Amino acid sequence: QKEVEQNSGPLSVPEGAIASLNCTYSDRGSQSFFWYRQYSGKSPELIMFIYSNGDKEDGRFTAQLNKASQYVSLLIRDSQPSDSATYLCAVNEYGNKLVFGAGTILRVKS
Amino acid sequence: DGGITQSPKYLFRKEGQNVTLSCEQNLNHDAMYWYRQDPGQGLRLIYYSQIVNDFQKGDIAEGYSVSREKKESFPLTVTSAQKNPTAFYLCASSDGGPTDTQYFGPGTRLTVL
Repeated sequence: QKEVEQNSGPLSVPEGAIASLNCTYSDRGSQSFFWYRQYSGKSPELIMFIYSNGDKEDGRFTAQLNKASQYVSLLIRDSQPSDSATYLCAVNEYGNKLVFGAGTILRVKS
Repeated sequence: DGGITQSPKYLFRKEGQNVTLSCEQNLNHDAMYWYRQDPGQGLRLIYYSQIVNDFQKGDIAEGYSVSREKKESFPLTVTSAQKNPTAFYLCASSDGGPTDTQYFGPGTRLTVL
């Protein structure tokens, strides 16, 4: 059974700080990795994806991938109260299926 | 506007009833997916379809059925055989690009009375 593990949190950070969210996965053959944000009662929305080792930046968000250690992380710089949500890590499986972690709850305190 | 629509937003079902959840997309995506989300849990795959008139079971297909007669539509039926159907149901479609990114509809919250 392929697994994606996330710390459930909540992770609490003050406004303006860097939030660091982590995810580990079990399938070494996984090629694509996704971060989704989900507000309470809403559907997931894509933040970014990454498929190469290293960092990928998009605005205040940076995804980091280390395939050798089988982890992917998401950094949120200058965290805002509007960033408070659940962040879902997803990893692709053979046949374009995604396996989702249970999510990390982020709370940004003003 | 291109996007994925799901209806209804809220659905209440009596025990023993079958109900059908609608999912429509106008993104011209070939692949569509149904997930179930329970409180505090991640998304679990129910069924997926990579092309019209073809679909495969996901991890928790028991008690559910689907059809894919049109590219734009992928309805999900929750049958009376599903023992614990109360959940948030999410439909997604994917763009078939190099990473085959999935995009989600707004969801249907099903409650069994």
